[in-house]
Amino acid sequence: DADVTQTPRNRITKTGKRIMLECSQTKGHDRMYWYRQDPGLGLRLIYYSFDVKDINKGEISDGYSVSRQAQAKFSLSLESAIPNQTALYFCATSGSATLELFFGEGSRLTVL
Amino acid sequence: LAKTTQPISMDSYEGQEVNITCSHNNIATNDYITWYQQFPSQGPRFIIQGYKTKVTNEVASLFIPADRKSSTLSLPRVSLSDTAVYYCLVASRPDKLIFGTGTRLQVFP
Repeated sequence: DADVTQTPRNRITKTGKRIMLECSQTKGHDRMYWYRQDPGLGLRLIYYSFDVKDINKGEISDGYSVSRQAQAKFSLSLESAIPNQTALYFCATSGSATLELFFGEGSRLTVL
Repeated sequence: LAKTTQPISMDSYEGQEVNITCSHNNIATNDYITWYQQFPSQGPRFIIQGYKTKVTNEVASLFIPADRKSSTLSLPRVSLSDTAVYYCLVASRPDKLIFGTGTRLQVFP
């Protein structure tokens, strides 16, 4: 089983719908991140959390919200999806004594 | 925040050594240099990390000159399975893990 699991892996939705992407990890890490990847643009940081009570905005947080339900769970929500949020979304974790990121397999979201 | 510059793409043939250079002119004293590999439709995977001089592991070597304004990821004897995008990150804090656009390496038979 993967250490960092994302669900769903693929989702097609319509403009205006609310979408939640979920991430769970078994690595015991405190730090969790959500990144977005668009073709040719690398990965951009949306939100990050260093513990259950800590939520921080990244480079591109507008239009997104997150919830850290437990140490092992970090979800990303699009309250009202729009087509330019079509992208590949990655969850990542890291331990407190390292800068190494461990990524999930990604969630491909298409907004029509 | 140290900005990184990498070549957009590189081509190589199987069995050759590949060197990918990353420029980071405004690297800070406490920053570490980390390289990731990403295959299509997969999350990036950590390859190697260093602070100065040379670091080697079972996958790659990382060369960092004394001024630390650049770094070179060296992949010995690449194979087709090394075709991927390679990212260089420069950071000292976990809230500054910013990815650039990376270098797309294509390995030919």
